[in-house]
Amino acid sequence: AQSVTQLDSQVPVFEEAPVELRCNYSSSVSVYLFWYVQYPNQGLQLLLKYLSGSTLVKGINGFEAEFNKSQTSFHLRKPSVHISDTAEYFCAVSGGNQGGKLIFGQGTELSVKP
Amino acid sequence: EAQVTQNPRYLITVTGKKLTVTCSQNMNHEYMSWYRQDPGLGLRQIYYSMNVEVTDKGDVPEGYKVSRKEKRNFPLILESPSPNQTSLYFCASSSTRTGHGQYFGPGTRLTVT
Repeated sequence: AQSVTQLDSQVPVFEEAPVELRCNYSSSVSVYLFWYVQYPNQGLQLLLKYLSGSTLVKGINGFEAEFNKSQTSFHLRKPSVHISDTAEYFCAVSGGNQGGKLIFGQGTELSVKP
Repeated sequence: EAQVTQNPRYLITVTGKKLTVTCSQNMNHEYMSWYRQDPGLGLRQIYYSMNVEVTDKGDVPEGYKVSRKEKRNFPLILESPSPNQTSLYFCASSSTRTGHGQYFGPGTRLTVT
């Protein structure tokens, strides 16, 4: 069965610093990978997705992620964060033999301080 | 405006009283899904539907029912709610059968006493 592990539950960082949110997945078949963002008291918004092709994926708000098949990782990065990036971030996986199921990680709370 | 709507947004009820949370999308999406979000557990899929009259269990289907009689609507039914179903519920839809890039509704906060 597929699973997703987000290695950090909370990541505090200062404004304009770089950030990396880590995500590892387990699957024996090809997968599709996603990052979602949830701002306080809101639903989830898709940041970026990897379906196939280039392993470096660029998303909205200056975020990017790199698919690493050998390390089964899909880490999210941003070179310079803003206060407005404070939110919870979820990594998710679907595909392979899971059909329409989308499996989420536990979430990483990014807190950007001035 | 493309959107997924849920009603109600907030609901407090008592154990055993049947309730329905509605979900509607205006994007003609085939795929729809329900999740619950609990602290420390992320989002867990309850049920999903790949098309009208086609529904499948997610990871935590116990205590829930769904139906997909029309493409735009995917209601979540709790026949006999219990306190462990107190949670934040999200509906989502997608244009593709494998659920890529799902659009999420604003959420329904349910409290069962």
